Amino acid sequence: KAGVTQTPRYLIKTRGQQVTLSCSPISGHRSVSWYQQTPGQGLQFLFEYFSETQRNKGNFPGRFSGRQFSNSRSEMNVSTLELGDSALYLCASSYRQGMLETQYFGPGTRLLVL
Amino acid sequence: KNEVEQSPQNLTAQEGEFITINCSYSVGISALHWLQQHPGGGIVSLFMLSSGKKKHGRLIATINIQEKHSSLHITASHPRDSAVYICAVSPNTGNQFYFGTGTSLTVIP
Repeated sequence: KAGVTQTPRYLIKTRGQQVTLSCSPISGHRSVSWYQQTPGQGLQFLFEYFSETQRNKGNFPGRFSGRQFSNSRSEMNVSTLELGDSALYLCASSYRQGMLETQYFGPGTRLLVL
Repeated sequence: KNEVEQSPQNLTAQEGEFITINCSYSVGISALHWLQQHPGGGIVSLFMLSSGKKKHGRLIATINIQEKHSSLHITASHPRDSAVYICAVSPNTGNQFYFGTGTSLTVIP
């Protein structure tokens, strides 16, 4: 099976812009989770989608949003970008809902906000 | 307040050494995960534990639920084991998923 894929792999934006990141889970996986990783904060959970519904959400402002499509592909959107949004954004998929399953991580999208 | 604490933060070992990375957590959990992140960002899930011990090749993970502690052991370490190892927990209440800050391991040939 193909692994989790994320596009784009690298992205440069300027403050105030918005960005959309895409994640294609492993075939058959219905849960997609998003994480932000920065040198200062480490890995932090953003949100999880299961069957097109947001099931869990971390402590991030409303500028961070996401959605999941009927084919389980997921997108994450960040509006009004700030310098501090520069990070590696990781997506992970699993078969069942929630954190009880082994998660399979994508390679990440590295976002730089100037 | 960090729900998950890892030690050490950095570790340098000679090839062949036995390595232990520790993880302590302060919340009730349903599962604990050990992740490996290589330079460039890719993360691999090594283990998911809810009790006892798991072994995969040269890697062994143990968990003591009563003591809220887990260890990741690497036997006969190799330079390709050089990576950041991250402990993460799924709490049994709430929606968060807590991560340790990671242990950066360098294995010297």
